[in-house]
Formats: sequence, structure tokens, C-alpha cells
Amino acid sequence: AQSVTQLDSQVPVFEEAPVELRCNYSSSVSVYLFWYVQYPNQGLQLLLKYLSGSTLVKGINGFEAEFNKSQTSFHLRKPSVHISDTAEYFCAVKQAAGNKLTFGGGTRVLVKP
Amino acid sequence: DGGITQSPKYLFRKEGQNVTLSCEQNLNHDAMYWYRQDPGQGLRLIYYSQIVNDFQKGDIAEGYSVSREKKESFPLTVTSAQKNPTAFYLCASSTPGIPRTQYFGPGTRLLVL
Repeated sequence: AQSVTQLDSQVPVFEEAPVELRCNYSSSVSVYLFWYVQYPNQGLQLLLKYLSGSTLVKGINGFEAEFNKSQTSFHLRKPSVHISDTAEYFCAVKQAAGNKLTFGGGTRVLVKP
Repeated sequence: DGGITQSPKYLFRKEGQNVTLSCEQNLNHDAMYWYRQDPGQGLRLIYYSQIVNDFQKGDIAEGYSVSREKKESFPLTVTSAQKNPTAFYLCASSTPGIPRTQYFGPGTRLLVL
């Protein structure tokens, strides 16, 4: 079985500062990795995904994530955040041969002016 | 516009009542999913369906039922057996191929009167 741990439940950050959201997973087989964003009272929107190949993945809204197989991590970064990035962010993992997507507990990002 | 719609946005349930949440997609996706989201927690899988007339239990199926009579529709019924139904319910559908990337609807918030 796979599991996902998001190490920070909340991350306060000032506008135009960088942010990193940490995600670690455990799985005994190959996985695909995803980051989703959820704005208040809305569904989840796909930010980016790692399938294979280059370990640095670029997504929408200026976000990027780096896959590190040896550390089983998939951390999300943005070099300069905006007020509009205030949201909850979810990391998710899917086994390559499976159907189920397993989510982390989420990280709430609060961007302060 | 292609997408996933969920209705209603808010739903109130009385004690002992069954309620049905609607999920429709016009993305021509074969697979559809229902998740439950509680405050401060990640998403938990209730049921999923890979093709019409077939569905499987997820991690927390007790107290819920589904049907999949049409490719476009995957309604979820919250039965009276679900003793703690207050939550945000999210429907998703996924692309074919590898991997199956899930896309989400806007959600339905269920409240108990």
C-alpha cells in the first residue's frame, strides 16, 4: 500500500517570497505523483504531475516540483507567491499499475501582504 | 465547455433520510470517482467506477451507494446508515491511458439538520 505525508499543515508566507511545500511518499513499486490546489469551497485543480523522465516538473501558475526517488519526495515550489496563491495544496500518489489515487493531508498556504 | 458538474452545491439531510448527490461529466471519461473531504484531512475514496454498470468500493464505502447506468453520470447516495455524513463531497473522472489523471468537479457540501 502507498501513503503520502505532507509535512506542514500550514505555511504562512509573505507576498513575493518563495514557498516550498514538502511531500514524502512510501510505495514499494513505481509511482506517478501529482500536486493539486484547492481554493475555498471549490474542487481540486491539477497543478502538475510527474510521470517519468526529467525530475523537475513545471506546472501552471508558476509552480514547479522536483521528484527525488532516493528520498521518496516530491516537493512543490514557487519562487514568488501572490495573494491569489492562498489555498490548500494536496500531494497525491498513484501506483503505476493501480487505479487508486492516495492523497496527503494537505498544506494550507496563507499569503500575507 | 467540457467539464464535471456536481449538484446541488449545498445539500441538507434530515435524520434517517437518504440523499443523492449528482455528478455528470461530458469529458468522455470512462472512470469516475467519489471522495469525501473532512476539515483538515485529505480526500478519502468512497467508490469508483471504471466502466458503465461496474463499480468498486473504496476505503470508506459503508453507508454509501452508487450506480453507473450511463457513462456520463455517477450519482452517490448517502444513506441513513451513514452516521456522520457532514462533509464536502468531490466527484472526479479520469483520462484513459497511462496514467489516469483525475479531474475534479466543484463539490457538494452536505450538512445535517
